[in-house]
Amino acid sequence: AIQMTQSPSSLSASVGDRVTITCRASQGIRNDLGWYQQKPGKAPKLLIYAASSLQSGVPSRFSGSGSGTDFTLTISSLQPEDFATYYCLQDYNYPYTFGRGTKLEIK
Amino acid sequence: EVQLVESGGGLVQPGGSLRLSCAASGFTFSDHYMDWVRQAPGKGLEWVGRSRNKATSYTTEYAASVKDRFTISRDDSKNSVHLQMNSLKTEDTAVYYCAKYTGSVNGMDVWGQGTTVTVSS
Repeated sequence: AIQMTQSPSSLSASVGDRVTITCRASQGIRNDLGWYQQKPGKAPKLLIYAASSLQSGVPSRFSGSGSGTDFTLTISSLQPEDFATYYCLQDYNYPYTFGRGTKLEIK
Repeated sequence: EVQLVESGGGLVQPGGSLRLSCAASGFTFSDHYMDWVRQAPGKGLEWVGRSRNKATSYTTEYAASVKDRFTISRDDSKNSVHLQMNSLKTEDTAVYYCAKYTGSVNGMDVWGQGTTVTVSS
């Protein structure tokens, strides 16, 4: 199975900060990667698909980049509602695998 | 409104069985692949498996951790997908989510609220 190494596991930041979360795949996955946001007690929400495409309704401060093995989720200016846990997911081949998550906390 | 509602969770003893259901509404269910994802208490997300649609013969895929124990089925006439879980282990304790996969966005774009499964003696 493809392993997704996500970093950092946690991150403290302030409103207005620019933050970057990375995921590295154990083998090339083209651009078959999504980013999901999860708030406590809630279901995950799709933010980015195909590595860099913004899901409908998601604010433009979220962006994704990368291809092959290295991927990045960037939030350009943190808003209070962005404090959550973020996961990458490779959907290149089965079994699909998530990264271990990045918990974004308020500094 | 596009919606997924899971049901069937509960407490079960190790070695037991449980069947989860996910009722869909607000979209053409038969067109879409459906996934199950779980989250153990305090842990991250784990993809469990997938049911493809009629166009792809309703074939299924599973994570290694559940293969040969879990079975995904669907009933397009009732807009529902099911997860039959047999030979349950304590490590299967989790919140189980169903999710709609949309090929045009290559992602799980609609999720249910989750149903909790606890495997304990």
